[in-house]
Amino acid sequence: GENVEQHPSTLSVQEGDSAVIKCTYSDSASNYFPWYKQELGKGPQLIIDIRSNVGEKKDQRIAVTLNKTAKHFSLHITETQPEDSAVYFCAPHLTWGTYKYIFGTGTRLKVLA
Amino acid sequence: NAGVTQTPKFRVLKTGQSMTLLCAQDMNHEYMYWYRQDPGMGLRLIHYSVGEGTTAKGEVPDGYNVSRLKKQNFLLGLESAAPSQTSVYFCASSYGTSGNVELFFGEGSRLTVL
Repeated sequence: GENVEQHPSTLSVQEGDSAVIKCTYSDSASNYFPWYKQELGKGPQLIIDIRSNVGEKKDQRIAVTLNKTAKHFSLHITETQPEDSAVYFCAPHLTWGTYKYIFGTGTRLKVLA
Repeated sequence: NAGVTQTPKFRVLKTGQSMTLLCAQDMNHEYMYWYRQDPGMGLRLIHYSVGEGTTAKGEVPDGYNVSRLKKQNFLLGLESAAPSQTSVYFCASSYGTSGNVELFFGEGSRLTVL
């Protein structure tokens, strides 16, 4: 099965700085790479995703980059704001044949004002 | 459009008691999931369902049972609750096709077993 690791487990940045979270996975067959954001007291919500035929995807201040050879992908947040403070999860998986979405252990991001 | 709704939101049980968590989705999703979230452990998959009448085991299925009698509902049961089952439980659903794999989560159910 998929083994997923996230680093770092906690990250504190000053408002306006950039943040990068890395997700490493074991199953080379994985072809879908999402990032979920969980705000306090709520369920996780998809914020950005990438598929294996694309190396990078941007959506305003957030981006995801993929290195399939090295089996890792990263979440990049630029110009961080207090509302970016949350726990972020990656969940790489294969989009066919199996539907066991395994999540990483999460990264708690704190944006200091 | 309510999305994914979980009931109850909070519950306190004594060891050995039983209970059922209900998850309801109104998006006509095929796939539904139950996760538990513990501090430092992230989200761990308990059971999931790929359609009405089907269920399958996830990473941590022991001590839980599930049923998917109707497409819109996914029930998680604890037959004899243990303190180790104190956790926050999240239900999620998705369309399930290769082009629509986004998970939609409920707001969670906090369970305490004394």
